[in-house]
Amino acid sequence: DAGVTQSPTHLIKTRGQQVTLRCSPKSGHDTVSWYQQALGQGPQFIFQYYEEEERQRGNFPDRFSGHQFPNYSSELNVNALLLGDSALYLCASSSPELAGGPLGTGELFFGEGSRLTVL
Amino acid sequence: GNSVTQMEGPVTLSEEAFLTINCTYTATGYPSLFWYVQYPGEGLQLLLKATKADDKGSNKGFEATYRKETTSFHLEKGSVQVSDSAVYFCALKGTGFQKLVFGTGTRLLVSP
Repeated sequence: DAGVTQSPTHLIKTRGQQVTLRCSPKSGHDTVSWYQQALGQGPQFIFQYYEEEERQRGNFPDRFSGHQFPNYSSELNVNALLLGDSALYLCASSSPELAGGPLGTGELFFGEGSRLTVL
Repeated sequence: GNSVTQMEGPVTLSEEAFLTINCTYTATGYPSLFWYVQYPGEGLQLLLKATKADDKGSNKGFEATYRKETTSFHLEKGSVQVSDSAVYFCALKGTGFQKLVFGTGTRLLVSP
C-alpha cells in the first residue's frame, strides 16, 4: 500500500519564478493538506483540500494556491517566488473521519516532502 | 490563537537513559494532542495521540498524558535507543478546525 507520494523531491528556482509541487494521497484518503516547514521550524499549515475545494487556509499570501483533482491528488503552486519561500513543503493526507470536523481526530499521514530552494 | 511550545534541543542522551520532552499548549475548547516524529530523510510519522483530558497515548515505548489542568502533553520514554534519534514535534488540533498546529520540534540525539 503506497503511502503519500510527493514530487519532485528537490528543486531549485530563482526569485520571481513559479513552482508547482505534486502530491498523491495514501490509498483510501480523500483529504489533502499542505504544510511549509522552514529550516529548524515546525510545519506551518498552508491549506487543506476536500472534494476538490479549499476547506481551510492558513496565513499564507495569495501567491500560494492549490488544486485537488477528482482522483484526490493535489498540486501546490507558488507564484513570484521569494527567497523566504525556501523550505520543505509537506503534503499530508487523511480521511474525513480522521481529519476534519468535531469528530475528526486530526491524524495525518505525511509524505517525505519537496525541498524548494529559491536563489 | 492556538499554539504549542516545546523544549528546545538538542537533547543528548546515552542509550538506556530516561527521556522527557516537555510540551505545553494554548487552545480554546478541547483540542486533540499529538506527537509526531521525523527520522532523518523521512517524512513526519504519527507517534502517539490523545483526544481528551487524562488520556494517555503510547507507542513504541513512548508515552504522553493529556493534562488539561497544566495544559501539557510531555513525551516520555523509560529507556531510549540509538534508533530513537530524530526530531520530535508536539502538535494540536483545535475543536472544529482542520489544521494541526505544530511546535518548533526537539532534536533527540542518542549515543551508544
